[in-house]
Amino acid sequence: DVKVTQSSRYLVKRTGEKVFLECVQDMDHENMFWYRQDPGLGLRLIYFSYDVKMKEKGDIPEGYSVSREKKERFSLILESASTNQTSMYLCAIGGGYTFGSGTRLTVV
Amino acid sequence: QKEVEQNSGPLSVPEGAIASLNCTYSDRGSQSFFWYRQYSGKSPELIMSIYSNGDKEDGRFTAQLNKASQYVSLLIRDSQPSDSATYLCAAGERDSNYQLIWGAGTKLIIKP
Repeated sequence: DVKVTQSSRYLVKRTGEKVFLECVQDMDHENMFWYRQDPGLGLRLIYFSYDVKMKEKGDIPEGYSVSREKKERFSLILESASTNQTSMYLCAIGGGYTFGSGTRLTVV
Repeated sequence: QKEVEQNSGPLSVPEGAIASLNCTYSDRGSQSFFWYRQYSGKSPELIMSIYSNGDKEDGRFTAQLNKASQYVSLLIRDSQPSDSATYLCAAGERDSNYQLIWGAGTKLIIKP
């Protein structure tokens, strides 16, 4: 079975903190995606990557950055967390679009 | 603006009946279409993909695609309470390796 692992299931951070969300896959897949999901707004693409050290902005990249130093790991970084970044964050890989279990982030 | 539209529901269906979920898309260049099921508090899981006009069946699930009408549907036969979830429709220009445009989802409730 394909495995996409997100490091934390629940996370509470303070406003202004730098936050790292990690996603690791075991499928050696080139394509990885970060989404956030909010009630009534559906899935919104933040960033995606088609290869190591490569990144592309999605629909809502403001306030976020990403890092992909190794093929299996795609990290989402909130440079200075704000309350409007409270959300469910989902990592996905291509080839059937397998999702990780998600990280519910609360910024207080 | 590329869009995928779904009725948010909730759609309430009696147990054992057929549940019919619908989705329309705006981009005529879309070539691949996907249905995902998402239980409350969980991440989406792929249940069906369809690329050609017509029907595709997998167990109790049938996906239907009509490219001329830009319409995709999902039928769930013999609905079970465990089918209660939000169903997300997504469309892509190529295969699922690339970006998808997502609908906001339809909440389905199966009443025992």
